[in-house]
Amino acid sequence: EDQVTQSPEALRLQEGESSSLNCSYTVSGLRGLFWYRQDPGKGPEFLFTLYSAGEEKEKERLKATLTKKESFLHITAPKPEDSATYLCAVLNTDKLIFGTGTRLQVFP
Amino acid sequence: DAGITQSPRHKVTETGTPVTLRCHQTENHRYMYWYRQDPGHGLRLIHYSYGVKDTDKGEVSDGYSVSRSKTEDFLLTLESATSSQTSVYFCAIGAISSTDTQYFGPGTRLTVL
Repeated sequence: EDQVTQSPEALRLQEGESSSLNCSYTVSGLRGLFWYRQDPGKGPEFLFTLYSAGEEKEKERLKATLTKKESFLHITAPKPEDSATYLCAVLNTDKLIFGTGTRLQVFP
Repeated sequence: DAGITQSPRHKVTETGTPVTLRCHQTENHRYMYWYRQDPGHGLRLIHYSYGVKDTDKGEVSDGYSVSRSKTEDFLLTLESATSSQTSVYFCAIGAISSTDTQYFGPGTRLTVL
């Protein structure tokens, strides 16, 4: 069964304390992996797409990487405004399969 | 922001009543989707549309119907709402492919009492 698992479920960081979020997946044919950010009361906002193992993408303090079994979202020197839920989704043939997200809180 | 609006943004209704949620886009995109988001579950696809009057079922379509008579509007109808349909509903546009992604609306919080 196709599955996407995100860990941890919740993460509390001090401002400036770097860390990583994990997205592991089991799908029969990966066509792409997507990261989204979701703020409370809002819809998910697209961050990155990764297509193949070894690929990396960066945006400000965020860096996403992809292996054959998982993806990491690295957050370097986070700020309070990075607080949000981060969602991972994988594209399998014709549908997106979403994980349940990691809720990140960054304290000043 | 992608030009996607949803209405209403919040709704409280009673079990057994019909409910229609509206998604409106200004991007002229061919593909539109309805998802629901519940605690402990990832976003789950209810129905999607790949053109005017062209729709198909998603993972959790039971109890829901959709219609698309214009490119810009995609309606989700709960014929007889149940408490299990209490959720946050998101509309999205965009092709699902390795070269494109989906862009989401702000969501509708529906409570069925």
